[in-house]
Amino acid sequence: GESVGLHLPTLSVQEGDNSIINCAYSNSASDYFIWYKQESGKGPQFIIDIRSNMDKRQGQRVTVLLNKTVKHLSLQIAATQPGDSAVYFCAENPGYSSASKIIFGSGTRLSIRP
Amino acid sequence: GAVVSQHPSRVICKSGTSVKIECRSLDFQATTMFWYRQFPKKSLMLMATSNEGSKATYEQGVEKDKFLINHASLTLSTLTVTSAHPEDSSFYICSAFRDRGMNTEAFFGQGTRLTVV
Repeated sequence: GESVGLHLPTLSVQEGDNSIINCAYSNSASDYFIWYKQESGKGPQFIIDIRSNMDKRQGQRVTVLLNKTVKHLSLQIAATQPGDSAVYFCAENPGYSSASKIIFGSGTRLSIRP
Repeated sequence: GAVVSQHPSRVICKSGTSVKIECRSLDFQATTMFWYRQFPKKSLMLMATSNEGSKATYEQGVEKDKFLINHASLTLSTLTVTSAHPEDSSFYICSAFRDRGMNTEAFFGQGTRLTVV
């Protein structure tokens, strides 16, 4: 099935603290997962991705964790900054080819407290 | 890097008219593009897969006669909202995959805000 979000929960984080955004997916056949950042009035922006043969991947200030057993993804943002304020979406791609769809999960709005 | 561009970024149209939204891949060819719709404070919902040189594939519940998709070239897909009504007001976003050897990456347009009055 498709994991499509129905509402946007909000995560409020103190500037400088670490943020952890969680996501559950439903398609056990999905082999590629992506996190996107969307600012108001703009299209999604790629943050980091991970393939199903990995359980952790690190980027600049961001880390994605994948737990296939419970079909759970998380995005960790270190030292959260005001510019990190946005809506974050997890997404899954069930195939490897360029014809595969990207299905978006429920998003989380990240707000930063000064 | 690769860029996907949408035009227009905003459009206001009268109820009953049709509006066309363009999606272009600027520095790569895309045989497949995707169209999404996003309501305020909601996630992106896939509407259809646009295939160059063939018919689009629509997701369940999306009216193909309402949302006409044409993918006439390897760099351009268009979405036409026909006989638009206020409930069609939404944020429409396209994406295209670029193949890079063993990897593919999806790039998204900046979105088109459609308001039907």
